[in-house]
Amino acid sequence: DIQMTQSPSSLSASVGDRVTITCQASQDISNYLNWYQQKPGKAPKLLIYDASNLETGVPSRFSGSGSGTDFTFTISSLQPEDIATYYCQQYDNLGVTFGGGTKVEIK
Amino acid sequence: QVTLKESGPVLVKPTETLTLTCTVSGFSLSNARMGVSWIRQPPGKALEWLAHIFSNDEKSYSTSLKSRLTISKDTSKSQVVLTMTNMDPVDTATYYCARINRLFSDAFDIWGQGTMVTVSS
Repeated sequence: DIQMTQSPSSLSASVGDRVTITCQASQDISNYLNWYQQKPGKAPKLLIYDASNLETGVPSRFSGSGSGTDFTFTISSLQPEDIATYYCQQYDNLGVTFGGGTKVEIK
Repeated sequence: QVTLKESGPVLVKPTETLTLTCTVSGFSLSNARMGVSWIRQPPGKALEWLAHIFSNDEKSYSTSLKSRLTISKDTSKSQVVLTMTNMDPVDTATYYCARINRLFSDAFDIWGQGTMVTVSS
């Protein structure tokens, strides 16, 4: 199975800060990488698919990049409503793997 | 509007079999570009994918749980059913069903609200 290593596991930043989360795959997954936001007590929400494509309706302060094994998720200017846990996810012909999650808090 | 809704028991005993149903609306389970997955999340922990099924009855299971899982669908009822045998307290989690969209790199673009299942005697 492909393993997804996400870091950091948590971070604290100020409103307006740039926030970056990384996700590393244990083998080449091309651009088959998606990012989700999960707020407490809620189901996850798709933010980015195919590593860099913004889902409809998602604010443009969210972005993703990368290919192969190394991927980055960025919030360009952290807002109070962005407090959540973020997960990366890959899909291959053997199944699906999620990263361990990154909890984002306001400093 | 696309929705998915999970249903099933809130409490199961150890060694019992869990049966969960995902009822979908707003899209058809016969749509070749869509599938349905089950994903779970133990309290305070990360998401864990369990299984998926597509319109052509293509199925895939988590390697670690494959021996305990069965996924099936009833297209006429718009339902996807997951069974998990030999339940254990470590299986206590919120269980989600989600739509897989093959147009979006097989991303889970719509999720159900989730159903909490507790395993306890």
